[in-house]
Amino acid sequence: EAGVAQSPRYKIIEKRQSVAFWCNPISGHATLYWYQQILGQGPKLLIQFQNNGVVDDSQLPKDRFSAERLKGVDSTLKIQPAKLEDSAVYLCASSRDRATDTQYFGPGTRLTVL
Amino acid sequence: AQSVSQHNHHVILSEAASLELGCNYSYGGTVNLFWYVQYPGQHLQLLLKYFSGDPLVKGIKGFEAEFIKSKFSFNLRKPSVQWSDTAEYFCAVIAGGYNKLIFGAGTRLAVHP
Repeated sequence: EAGVAQSPRYKIIEKRQSVAFWCNPISGHATLYWYQQILGQGPKLLIQFQNNGVVDDSQLPKDRFSAERLKGVDSTLKIQPAKLEDSAVYLCASSRDRATDTQYFGPGTRLTVL
Repeated sequence: AQSVSQHNHHVILSEAASLELGCNYSYGGTVNLFWYVQYPGQHLQLLLKYFSGDPLVKGIKGFEAEFIKSKFSFNLRKPSVQWSDTAEYFCAVIAGGYNKLIFGAGTRLAVHP
């Protein structure tokens, strides 16, 4: 089966600019996750969707980050405006249903904010 | 808050050496435990997981991990490493009722031929 797809793979922007990331999960997976991985740290969950509803967004900086999952399939994560500390790899993952189901990760988008 | 500690940030071994990577978590209730691995240039992928039952869990590529509840630990082991085991290894936990995967900071393993 096809894996989790993400685009773009790399993005360089200046602070205060906007950026958007796209994710296409594995077909049939109900749950989609966005993680932020800062250099030297493990992935940190930003937001979790089940179908097109938000399950957990407690660690999403809502003043600048937003995410949506269209029709319970694809998802976009947006940052507006970006800060230097947003430089990180943004990982998308999906699982069949619950968080305890195996999560399959995409290749990630490496964001550099100058 | 739940947290995961991986004590070794970088480990360097020669081929055929034995491996043990430490992982401790902070949560007193029921936990689901995972080890994920990221090989160079590849996606993060599941190595093994523990939910209940036998505390010694076997995963892919000869890896195993032991859940010791009294020590809040879930250490990863392999008796004889290969050059192809060079990767970054992440321990992760889902604490009962929280439905959220919490990762440790990771351990970079370099295996020299």
